[in-house]
Amino acid sequence: GAVVSQHPSWVICKSGTSVKIECRSLDFQATTMFWYRQFPKQSLMLMATSNEGSKATYEQGVEKDKFLINHASLTLSTLTVTSAHPEDSSFYICSAVTGGAPSYNSPLHFGNGTRLTVT
Amino acid sequence: TQLLEQSPQFLSIQEGENLTVYCNSSSVFSSLQWYRQEPGEGPVLLVTVVTGGEVKKLKRLTFQFGDARKDSSLHITAAQPGDTGLYLCAGDRYSSASKIIFGSGTRLSIRP
Repeated sequence: GAVVSQHPSWVICKSGTSVKIECRSLDFQATTMFWYRQFPKQSLMLMATSNEGSKATYEQGVEKDKFLINHASLTLSTLTVTSAHPEDSSFYICSAVTGGAPSYNSPLHFGNGTRLTVT
Repeated sequence: TQLLEQSPQFLSIQEGENLTVYCNSSSVFSSLQWYRQEPGEGPVLLVTVVTGGEVKKLKRLTFQFGDARKDSSLHITAAQPGDTGLYLCAGDRYSSASKIIFGSGTRLSIRP
């Protein structure tokens, strides 16, 4: 149980275009989802917290107008990278929790990530 | 500044050897988790420790939470090539808005 599906697994786009990444909880409802960015051989950096039915909470330094997050249902959150540039190339990962916040009794369930390459 | 520092950053050892990975912080955590991540995939939860001084074992892996709940260690006995991966500790802080913070990561390579 507790499967999170992320799509696409990889995408190549041209500079200036927008890319949408989907994160779905397949067998549970996720009121909260998290979006991370990971550079090669580095740890995960939290970008934003996505809350169903409300605006996302962005971490300091993350441009909310560039990284649009929508959490329209209890099973789907989307991250849209707008006007992508080569420096946006990275591995983007989502995670979901069943409750309102992650804790020891409601751990994070991760998607398999999306490798974005902007040419 | 990394809130959760892991050491070592990289480790390459021979199959059969033992190793320990450390996760240290100056902050107190209500719980701490360890994940393993393989290239091109998301992290997979290995264990969650909650109580100060707690020790949990998962086959050849032993996890310990510091008494003060500021640090943790992961010990692997008789490492195998299948243990290769990026190991991440992650902490749930008392004072933050219930967001898990990830450590700097330890990349482990086990040579056959």
